[in-house]
Amino acid sequence: GESVGLHLPTLSVQEGDNSIINCAYSNSASDYFIWYKQESGKGPQFIIDIRSNMDKRQGQRVTVLLNKTVKHLSLQIAATQPGDSAVYFCAENNAGNMLTFGGGTRLMVKP
Amino acid sequence: EAQVTQNPRYLITVTGKKLTVTCSQNMNHEYMSWYRQDPGLGLRQIYYSMNVEVTDKGDVPEGYKVSRKEKRNFPLILESPSPNQTSLYFCASSSMGGVRSPLHFGNGTRLTVT
Repeated sequence: GESVGLHLPTLSVQEGDNSIINCAYSNSASDYFIWYKQESGKGPQFIIDIRSNMDKRQGQRVTVLLNKTVKHLSLQIAATQPGDSAVYFCAENNAGNMLTFGGGTRLMVKP
Repeated sequence: EAQVTQNPRYLITVTGKKLTVTCSQNMNHEYMSWYRQDPGLGLRQIYYSMNVEVTDKGDVPEGYKVSRKEKRNFPLILESPSPNQTSLYFCASSSMGGVRSPLHFGNGTRLTVT
């Protein structure tokens, strides 16, 4: 598959454990945040989003937490599975028509 | 099946030889965009289009052109490719919400310019 990054931060977790992927964003004016998952050889895939008027949003097995005070975003994955192995990107938007992506974190799930 | 289709998947070319990477979506989406992905830099936006005949520059537009003559197609044109444009390129589309709606990405085009 395509290599998306040779020097990405890597999080290694045991199958069944919970994973927490962190992201620091740069623009205090950003008011919309989104997480994407990218598997090897594929394009990014939407996971979950959150607006700045919320500090937590839950999906199926995933939770996004937003701390605007310290400009920090996290993605929590419950009961991590081998299929969750991928690179995860956070992205921010400040009402314009562009997303600014972070550098990504590689999640490796050990069986 | 709803999808964004890019072609070609892999392309090797030489400096200065014009090329076009095609992108087509079958979801009737208004918003389309192009990104390049380089190791350690995440995805950076090249150009985007809010609708037919409406295009705008992203963060890294230099050396690229786009057109949006039809809603479904958004080709990326490199008039005179250079080695620093060697990268992995993604096309994406979304509905009226633009980047505030989930983006649907193609599977990428790996471009090598020698």
